[in-house]
Amino acid sequence: AQSVTQPDIHITVSEGASLELRCNYSYGATPYLFWYVQSPGQGLQLLLKYFSGDTLVQGIKGFEAEFKRSQSSFNLRKPSVHWSDAAEYFCAVGGSNYQLIWGAGTKLIIKP
Amino acid sequence: NAGVTQTPKFQVLKTGQSMTLQCAQDMNHEYMSWYRQDPGMGLRLIHYSVGAGITDQGEVPNGYNVSRSTTEDFPLRLLSAAPSQTSVYFCASRRAGGRIGELFFGEGSRLTVL
Repeated sequence: AQSVTQPDIHITVSEGASLELRCNYSYGATPYLFWYVQSPGQGLQLLLKYFSGDTLVQGIKGFEAEFKRSQSSFNLRKPSVHWSDAAEYFCAVGGSNYQLIWGAGTKLIIKP
Repeated sequence: NAGVTQTPKFQVLKTGQSMTLQCAQDMNHEYMSWYRQDPGMGLRLIHYSVGAGITDQGEVPNGYNVSRSTTEDFPLRLLSAAPSQTSVYFCASRRAGGRIGELFFGEGSRLTVL
């Protein structure tokens, strides 16, 4: 079955510290991979995407993610978080059809 | 540039009432979709449309109707609301030729059914 797992429901990180949010997927074909961010009371915004090619992709707001096919993972990273990064982050996977499969989300809490 | 606009932002209904959530986009996007977001479950696709006059069901279509008479608008109708439809609803669009996943979202409509 196709699925996306974000193992951490909440993550707390100190401001200025590095961040890694985990995403594992199960998908029968070559996946397209995405990370979205949802700030409180807002819609979702695309952070970055992977379709093919270089497995390390850069996104907006200083985020990057690495596709590891052998581990079926697409973890999101940021070297130094800012208080404005507090939000919920969603990983999604899709293929050639119109439907995305979404993870349940990870809520990022920033400690001052 | 307004992007994707959803109305209303908040709505309380009684069981059995009907209502329409409105979604409009001004980016001339062919693809539009409706999702519901429930705690701990991520987003689930309700219905989607690849152009005016064309709609299709997503993962959780029961209890919802859609139509697409124009490129700009994609309303979601609840014919007889149930408490299980309490959720946050998001409309999302994508440009023609845009790849799956390159979605633009509205700010959401929070619906409570009593």
